[in-house]
Amino acid sequence: NAGVMQNPRHLVRRRGQEARLRCSPMKGHSHVYWYRQLPEEGLKFMVYLQKENIIDESGMPKERFSAEFPKEGPSILRIQQVVRGDSAAYFCASSPPGTGPEQFFGPGTRLTVL
Amino acid sequence: AQSVTQLGSHVSVSEGALVLLRCNYSSSVPPYLFWYVQYPNQGLQLLLKYTTGATLVKGINGFEAEFKKSETSFHLTKPSAHMSDAAEYFCAVSDWRAGNQFYFGTGTSLTVIP
Repeated sequence: NAGVMQNPRHLVRRRGQEARLRCSPMKGHSHVYWYRQLPEEGLKFMVYLQKENIIDESGMPKERFSAEFPKEGPSILRIQQVVRGDSAAYFCASSPPGTGPEQFFGPGTRLTVL
Repeated sequence: AQSVTQLGSHVSVSEGALVLLRCNYSSSVPPYLFWYVQYPNQGLQLLLKYTTGATLVKGINGFEAEFKKSETSFHLTKPSAHMSDAAEYFCAVSDWRAGNQFYFGTGTSLTVIP
C-alpha cells in the first residue's frame, strides 16, 4: 500500500504566480489534511477535507489560498499570487474514515517564492 | 482548545547517553498524543502514539513515552542515543472527536555527539 504522495516535491515560483500542490491520500483514506511548516517552526493546521467537502478551514488564510478534494483525483492546495512569506513546506496527511486519530503524512512540498 | 509546548528547541546528547525530549500539552478533553520524527528534507514519521490504555507507550527505534495526566506531559525517552537519532522531533496532540486536526509543538532538534 503506497503511502501518501505529494507532488511536486519542490516548487519554485516568482511573486505573483500561482502554486498548485497535489496530494494523493493512501488507498482507502477519504480524509485529507493540509499543514504548513514555516522555517524553524512546527506544523500548523490549514484545512481538513473529505471527498467533495471542506470540513474545517479554520487554519487557512482568508485570501489567496484554497483547497479542494474532488470525487476523483488528488486533493489540491492552490495559492494564488504567491508572496515571499508563502515560502514553506506544505504537508498533506490522510486518514481512513472513522477509525481514530492517526494521520499519515506525505513527504511534503517545499515551496520557494523568489 | 489544544496546544503543545516543547521545552528546549535544541538538545545535544552524547552517543550512548539518555535522550529526554519534553512535551507538555493543554487539552480540554482527554487527549490523543503523538511523537513524530522528521529527518532533513523529509516528511514526518510516526514514532509512537497514546490514545487509550497503558500510559507507557513503546515506539519504533527504541523510543518510548509516558503519558502523565497529572503533569499534562508526554515526554519522549530513549535509553541510549545513536548517531542516527539526530533529527527534528515533534510532539502533537489531537482531539479527533472535535475535528481531527493535530496541534504540533515547535519541535526539538536533537544532536548526537560522537
